[in-house]
Amino acid sequence: GAGVSQSPRYKVAKRGQDVALRCDPISGHVSLFWYQQALGQGPEFLTYFQNEAQLDKSGLPSDRFFAERPEGSVSTLKIQRTQQEDSAVYLCASSLDEFRGLYQPQHFGDGTRLSIL
Amino acid sequence: QKEVEQDPGPLSVPEGAIVSLNCTYSNSAFQYFMWYRQYSRKGPELLMYTYSSGNKEDGRFTAQVDKSSKYISLFIRDSQPSDSATYLCAMKQTGANNLFFGTGTRLTVIP
Repeated sequence: GAGVSQSPRYKVAKRGQDVALRCDPISGHVSLFWYQQALGQGPEFLTYFQNEAQLDKSGLPSDRFFAERPEGSVSTLKIQRTQQEDSAVYLCASSLDEFRGLYQPQHFGDGTRLSIL
Repeated sequence: QKEVEQDPGPLSVPEGAIVSLNCTYSNSAFQYFMWYRQYSRKGPELLMYTYSSGNKEDGRFTAQVDKSSKYISLFIRDSQPSDSATYLCAMKQTGANNLFFGTGTRLTVIP
């Protein structure tokens, strides 16, 4: 497809369950980002990949959150032992590489809406 | 204090009005300034971005950045009902990876 694709669009899980959220970036985009958007708030950065390398995970809120991008394309965000405060929309974005410092805008998917009961 | 402050609104205007949306920020290292539009249950869609201070115009949209005041604005001329959405400002430092977003302002344009 032409845009960033995320699945599932909606996920309901019971507290304590593990969940996995998938992101399929725009073809050719080497940079991939995950953000968390709480209700009524702006997105907050979680982690960043350049190809398969996770270069920044400073925004992950706890060690229950884990992200991977093993082949430098599709990425998965995994949340273990989910808590109610994990309920949010999880957004994925991708961009071209900032070659020679030229800014490349981030393009977002429609997100996965996660509800923890 | 959050690094990016944005009035959440809501803001309601009649069709055809000029809309002014604003953000302030505290980090003087921000160099890239973006405006995203987000419809309900959709992802943010990039409207415009600017580098450093100045103005940029694209159709009915004008973005302004005043780095001396740490203040950015988005103006929408001849607003349309289809402009009804949440508008998010976002900012980035040169060489950094992540964007810092405002809370978003919810705009409704009334026909």
